[in-house]
Order: sequence, then structure tokens, then C-alpha cells
Amino acid sequence: GAVVSQHPSRVICKSGTSVKIECRSLDFQATTMFWYRQFPKKSLMLMATSNEGSKATYEQGVEKDKFLINHASLTLSTLTVTSAHPEDSSFYICSARDQGRTNYGYTFGSGTRLTVV
Amino acid sequence: KQEVTQIPAALSVPEGENLVLNCSFTDSAIYNLQWFRQDPGKGLTSLLLIQSSQREQTSGRLNASLDKSSGRSTLYIAASQPGDSATYLCAVIDDYKLSFGAGTTVTVRA
Repeated sequence: GAVVSQHPSRVICKSGTSVKIECRSLDFQATTMFWYRQFPKKSLMLMATSNEGSKATYEQGVEKDKFLINHASLTLSTLTVTSAHPEDSSFYICSARDQGRTNYGYTFGSGTRLTVV
Repeated sequence: KQEVTQIPAALSVPEGENLVLNCSFTDSAIYNLQWFRQDPGKGLTSLLLIQSSQREQTSGRLNASLDKSSGRSTLYIAASQPGDSATYLCAVIDDYKLSFGAGTTVTVRA
């Protein structure tokens, strides 16, 4: 089936620094990828839609200058948390769908646990 | 705006018992519905995708039904095992956008 790889799985950074998270589709091309944030015991919240070769679309309330998204190729999207603060600590997950195998639904990465100290 | 609710929030059963997990949604004009499993600290693993024209999907011990008119989906897990312990999430798919419930955390006791 469709495979999405996400790295790193865990990262600890100091306040004020930036952190980059990568999301790769391994066996398919993804013109669109999705970034979610998950709070403890809460459902996933869509942050933004990453579009290959164009600007990302952000959901209401998500700061685009804080959460920079780049989708430079058909298999890679990156999320950069800029000037991170403790309140940015969370679990971030990316997702994509293989347009050639839509009966598989959406595939998710393994997630990144970000801790800002 | 699509609202997705999963009841119960948590469930504990002895091994061998059948599991019934419920998902309800407010807007019946959906494309598809997908069930996922999430282990602690991990990403989501897809279990079943039900397309809007389908009423159910089956995979091994798992069966998911979909009733769009009433805004409900149910995931059945037969003969539960300790390895089934996880959080189960349903996601309603409108075009490309997924709306998630908060999940049902299942514990299967050996």
C-alpha cells in the first residue's frame, strides 16, 4: 500500500529556535499533503494543506509565519516551526493520498513529537 | 462545519468479547469515511475505507458499516485480542478534507 515516511519521530528544541519536520511519500507521488496537529486525548486538527509547487493553504487560526510549509517536490513536504515556544509542543502528523489508489484512502506518517523547552 | 463524535470515549473488555465502536457525524453529504487505529505516541494506521456508495467494508475480524442518512458509522471487531488495545479514530472525508472524532480508547484485558 501507500507509504508515508515522517522524520524525525521526536525532537526537543530550545525556545526561540526553529525545527523542520519532513514528510515523504515513498511509493507514490503526492501533489497534495496535509499537516495535522494532535493535542493529548483530542482529535487531529488540520493545520494546512501543502500543495506541490505553490503556496500552502492554512486553516483558520493557524499562523502561516510560524508554521512554514514547503512542498518542493512530488514526494516531499516540510513543516518548519519557527521561533518555537513551549506552547508549540505537540504531536504533528502528515498525511497524503495516492491519487492512483484512492480506494486506499489517506495514509499517515508516524508522527513527530515536538517538545520545546 | 462537520462535527464528528465518537462514543464511548473509552472501553475496556475481556479478551474474546466483540467490540462495537460508534461514530456519528452531522453533515451526511460526505465522500467517504475511514477508520484508523492509533497506538500511543504513534501515527495512524488505516483500517477500513468506506466509500459513500458503500454500506459496509470488511477486513478479517473488522467490519465497518455506514449509514449516511442517519449520519452514523459503526466499527465491529470480532473476538477481541489484547493486541487490539489502541485508540480508534473515525474520519469523515468531505472532498479532500478529513474531520476526525476524538477517538475511542480500547483496552482488551487478557
